[in-house]
Amino acid sequence: GQNIDQPTEMTATEGAIVQINCTYQTSGFNGLFWYQQHAGEAPTFLSYNVLDGLEEKGRFSSFLSRSKGYSYLLLKELQMKDSASYLCAVSTDSWGKLQFGAGTQVVVTP
Amino acid sequence: SQTIHQWPATLVQPVGSPLSLECTVEGTSNPNLYWYRQAAGRGLQLLFYSVGIGQISSEVPQNLSASRPQDRQFILSSKKLLLSDSGFYLCAWSPGSTEAFFGQGTRLTVV
Repeated sequence: GQNIDQPTEMTATEGAIVQINCTYQTSGFNGLFWYQQHAGEAPTFLSYNVLDGLEEKGRFSSFLSRSKGYSYLLLKELQMKDSASYLCAVSTDSWGKLQFGAGTQVVVTP
Repeated sequence: SQTIHQWPATLVQPVGSPLSLECTVEGTSNPNLYWYRQAAGRGLQLLFYSVGIGQISSEVPQNLSASRPQDRQFILSSKKLLLSDSGFYLCAWSPGSTEAFFGQGTRLTVV
């Protein structure tokens, strides 16, 4: 079966760094995605990793190790607006279908 | 640029009533289209996907159906809603196997 695990909740202070880990066991692998979802809103795309290594995009970076079935999303210089749920998703085939983890709720405190 | 429209934003329906949610995409041709559902406190679950007009694949057995009557139109339907159909329904599109872009979602409450 498909299994994508990430922590339920993380709390961090404004200006700090938070790392959200995601481990996966899927029948296929065609890329790993991170999405941000504010309460009551649709997910918005943050990053995409298909090869091992680090992808950096402004304050957000994402890392992938395919051999370990592991990824993390790194959020730097946290801002209050970063309080949201962060979803790890794996594409398991070439049709773009995504398997999602349950999401990690990040709470940024002043 | 591409945009995706989904409506309505919220819906309250009685048990046993029919359902029709519509999604349209602009600015692209032959997109892959998807319907996801997010139950409260849970991750998104893929319900249906379509790679072309009239081509629908169902990912989980359920009380719902999907149709794609036009290239950029995707419809989610039910003949008789159940309480368990309540949730946040999201339409999405992708150009292929890369990232998916989501509509604003429909919050469905079955009462």
